[in-house]
Amino acid sequence: QKEVEQNSGPLSVPEGAIASLNCTYSDRGSQSFFWYRQYSGKSPELIMFIYSNGDKEDGRFTAQLNKASQYVSLLIRDSQPSDSATYLCAVNEGGGNKLTFGTGTQLKVEL
Amino acid sequence: DGGITQSPKYLFRKEGQNVTLSCEQNLNHDAMYWYRQDPGQGLRLIYYSQIVNDFQKGDIAEGYSVSREKKESFPLTVTSAQKNPTAFYLCASSIKQNTEAFFGQGTRLTVV
Repeated sequence: QKEVEQNSGPLSVPEGAIASLNCTYSDRGSQSFFWYRQYSGKSPELIMFIYSNGDKEDGRFTAQLNKASQYVSLLIRDSQPSDSATYLCAVNEGGGNKLTFGTGTQLKVEL
Repeated sequence: DGGITQSPKYLFRKEGQNVTLSCEQNLNHDAMYWYRQDPGQGLRLIYYSQIVNDFQKGDIAEGYSVSREKKESFPLTVTSAQKNPTAFYLCASSIKQNTEAFFGQGTRLTVV
């Protein structure tokens, strides 16, 4: 069974630090990878997507993809209390038509 | 103002009733999806549609039905056959398959 796995956390980091969130996936044919942020009681909001091996930066966020090791990570620099949320990793299985989500990692940024 | 609109935001269902959740998008997206989220858990795919008049079952389709008569609309019916329907239901759309999906604000369904 194809799986997307994340550590549920909570991951606690001090304000201003770098938060590192990790995700592994089982389907080697996966082609597209996404990070969503979800505040409590709200719907997921797309933060980043990455299709190729390597790093992709957007503001304070960097997505990293390593297809050989089958993991994707999200780095948040200069973490702010407003970054406190659950971060969902999603993978679009190779050639497939649907996103498979991990269960999410809860991030807490402490003052 | 483009986006994905789900209604209602809160919905209460009695045992044995069918209810329909609305999802409308004006983004001109081809693909639409329905997910279910239970407390503390990730999203599970119920149904998805890549094109008008066509849809496929996801991982947990039992007790649900959908239609895709218009590109903009993808309603979900939760039937009485769904034994544990209380959950947060999320509709999403994407331009095409394998591209980023955007979510509506969700419908929280409670069985009373």
